[in-house]
Amino acid sequence: DTAVSQTPKYLVTQMGNDKSIKCEQNLGHDTMYWYKQDSKKFLKIMFSYNNKELIINETVPNRFSPKSPDKAHLNLHINSLELGDSAVYFCASSQDRVEANVLTFGAGSRLTVL
Amino acid sequence: GQNIDQPTEMTATEGAIVQINCTYQTSGFNGLFWYQQHAGEAPTFLSYNVLDGLEEKGRFSSFLSRSKGYSYLLLKELQMKDSASYLCAVMDSNYQLIWGAGTKLIIKP
Repeated sequence: DTAVSQTPKYLVTQMGNDKSIKCEQNLGHDTMYWYKQDSKKFLKIMFSYNNKELIINETVPNRFSPKSPDKAHLNLHINSLELGDSAVYFCASSQDRVEANVLTFGAGSRLTVL
Repeated sequence: GQNIDQPTEMTATEGAIVQINCTYQTSGFNGLFWYQQHAGEAPTFLSYNVLDGLEEKGRFSSFLSRSKGYSYLLLKELQMKDSASYLCAVMDSNYQLIWGAGTKLIIKP
């Protein structure tokens, strides 16, 4: 069983479109995250949800909206896609936000905006 | 600002030892993590240090000096499968992870 699964793995779309990436974890973790990894390989936190409540929202454009129907799911919806949105998006989960907080990552979703 | 520095790329020979350094400047400190990321795959957890000293786990060891804002990951008996990027990340006082850009390690036969 995959611990953190995200779909789709690859997504190619045109500028201006709206797309969603889904994420599910079966680890029973309390906190889920969305990270963006750009071509320079920096991992940047976008959102974090703890028990369905948003607890981090870094300086991400409001075209990006996370939705967490329950603590096992954290989906990412992106409106009006731009070229700069092309990146790999990783979903992750952890038991909690405190010390020794090990993240388990999904396999990543590679988004290409043309 | 918060900053994590690590070399962009390193090359080593199969069977040898390599040390990957990481220096950090963060608002507070609640631990330092090393993750391994193979090309096209997700990062996976390697080690966690919160106290000064060396943590050994098989062929991999991680060292921390909080006073120097410094850590290293030591890989022994290198194998071809160790070719990957190694990411250093520090948890700051708000329990947010600050990530380095990663060090791409190339292993040659």
